[in-house]
Amino acid sequence: GENVEQHPSTLSVQEGDSAVIKCTYSDSASNYFPWYKQELGKRPQLIIDIRSNVGEKKDQRIAVTLNKTAKHFSLHITETQPEDSAVYFCAASTNAGKSTFGDGTTLTVKP
Amino acid sequence: GAVVSQHPSWVICKSGTSVKIECRSLDFQATTMFWYRQFPKQSLMLMATSNEGSKATYEQGVEKDKFLINHASLTLSTLTVTSAHPEDSSFYICSARAQVSYGYTFGSGTRLTVV
Repeated sequence: GENVEQHPSTLSVQEGDSAVIKCTYSDSASNYFPWYKQELGKRPQLIIDIRSNVGEKKDQRIAVTLNKTAKHFSLHITETQPEDSAVYFCAASTNAGKSTFGDGTTLTVKP
Repeated sequence: GAVVSQHPSWVICKSGTSVKIECRSLDFQATTMFWYRQFPKQSLMLMATSNEGSKATYEQGVEKDKFLINHASLTLSTLTVTSAHPEDSSFYICSARAQVSYGYTFGSGTRLTVV
């Protein structure tokens, strides 16, 4: 089955700096890669996603890049703010719809 | 659009009792829904895939007789934790995919505490 590895497990940045979280996947059939933000005690919220026919996608301060050949994708957050502090999960999904999640990255943005 | 409602948001039950959790897609039809479990400070682990009108598909290691899934309509899937034990205490969350979309929407989650 699919195996998703996510790094780093914790990340601390200064407000205004950039944050990068990386994930690798194993199943070449995976074709949809969402990123979720989960605040303490709340549900995961989709923040950005990318499909396998696209190499990069950007939404304001958030961007995701995908390298299908290397089977890795990354989340980039620029100009970080304290409210960006949360746990971020990457996931890889196939047409069957099942999502395999990474272990999560706890991002702390220090004011 | 693509709203998923999950109920209850939290429940406390006694060991040995059963608890039912509902997952509803409010503005779209979902032939497939997914149930995940999340232990504190851990990732989401897929428990089962709920298919409308047919049996659920369980992931390896998940007891189908303990976690009963029913997907009787295109907008409702239920997860029943039978004979709950303290080790079943966890955050249970469903997600649904609209029929023609890759997008997944999560329910608000249910925090189950078994005492």
